[in-house]
Amino acid sequence: DTEVTQTPKHLVMGMTNKKSLKCEQHMGHRAMYWYKQKAKKPPELMFVYSYEKLSINESVPSRFSPECPNSSLLNLHLHALQPEDSALYLCASSLMTSGSYYEQYFGPGTRLTVT
Amino acid sequence: EDQVTQSPEALRLQEGESSSLNCSYTVSGLRGLFWYRQDPGKGPEFLFTLYSAGEEKEKERLKATLTKKESFLHITAPKPEDSATYLCAVRGSTLGRLYFGRGTQLTVWP
Repeated sequence: DTEVTQTPKHLVMGMTNKKSLKCEQHMGHRAMYWYKQKAKKPPELMFVYSYEKLSINESVPSRFSPECPNSSLLNLHLHALQPEDSALYLCASSLMTSGSYYEQYFGPGTRLTVT
Repeated sequence: EDQVTQSPEALRLQEGESSSLNCSYTVSGLRGLFWYRQDPGKGPEFLFTLYSAGEEKEKERLKATLTKKESFLHITAPKPEDSATYLCAVRGSTLGRLYFGRGTQLTVWP
């Protein structure tokens, strides 16, 4: 099973709202990722967690706050977003051993619209 | 600087018309080249990983190959259901980070 699940599938929020995106995998992967994807563009890396610790933050604005409560779950907390933050948010996970990262498996994404 | 360039940007094929997509890369210390398929509004679907020059992988009508500077995704006798955007990504020395190309949008018409 190579499934990564994401909830919700769609989210509409105002600029003053606080919401969270959730991601879950049960493949035993110890690396998890958040990406942002705009239309007709490739995925853009936001955060990487390795063994539940934040290992890469691609200078993402603080209105995006990631959290990795355990090895299977990844959250992205959203606060005071801007309309330009509207995009498809993708979660991915990969096997990680002795510092080597393997292919990433992506979830279906959350379509976020900020009004 | 690590870079990935895919060509063509868009490709239209008639059903059964074989062709190839190209991914050229510049990366320090290649630690894997990955091909993904992405349908509109969905997450990328993993297809292949290639690690060293000369390596080849096949899956149904798709075959991926790797040289020291580029990779090809060969599509043999495509069907309309192969229509999608195909993304190439490479992993270099920065652990955990993938560099994506902009993708090739493939349309196969009956």
